[in-house]
Amino acid sequence: EVRLVESGGKLVQPGRSLRLSCAASGFTFDDYAMHWVRQAPGKGLEWVSGIYWNSGTTAYADSVKGRFTISRDNAKSSLYLQMNSLRAEDTALYYCAKDIEHFLQAPIEWGQGTLVTVSS
Amino acid sequence: EVVLTQSPDFQSVTPKEKVTITCRASQSIGSSLHWYQQKPAQSPKLLIKYASQSISGVPSRFSGSGSGTDFTLTINSLEAEDAATYYCHQSGSLPQAFGGGTKLEIK
Repeated sequence: EVRLVESGGKLVQPGRSLRLSCAASGFTFDDYAMHWVRQAPGKGLEWVSGIYWNSGTTAYADSVKGRFTISRDNAKSSLYLQMNSLRAEDTALYYCAKDIEHFLQAPIEWGQGTLVTVSS
Repeated sequence: EVVLTQSPDFQSVTPKEKVTITCRASQSIGSSLHWYQQKPAQSPKLLIKYASQSISGVPSRFSGSGSGTDFTLTINSLEAEDAATYYCHQSGSLPQAFGGGTKLEIK
């Protein structure tokens, strides 16, 4: 059974940094691309970032480019999202998701999310 | 950047009705369009991949069609459990993107 467990979300002040983690199990982690997708309270889904199976390609939404960095450690079956210069509009539930392919296509397995709140 | 526009934003329907949700891309994305269902307090669920390909375990009343810029999700013979918000998602161009969502209410 595929399992994705996000962690690291918390209340943080604007301008500060936060690192999210996603622990994966139940599949061969280094065979698949991975995504971060967020959902602000009461709002729709927003694709945030994605990374190929081998970290060879990363991509970001324009709203986070230059502030967020995605990475993965295949030896640890873990995905990360380093979030810098946080803004109030980054407040959301952040989902980690496994792709159907080794390159970026469609997220198919999702975690339960970790909540990031940016507020003073 | 590809922008996805879904319609309608909201629809109230009765059981056994046929529902059609559309998704329009701001530029051609071939068949790189996927559909998700999200129920309240749950993570999204992939329903259809690559515009029309079925997903194992998803009921056959869900189907998709389209290519290029215009796509459709069809739900035949709607059931009460289909009350949810539906999103399209494109992977034809980076950055990827989701549509704004269509909330389906069952009368």
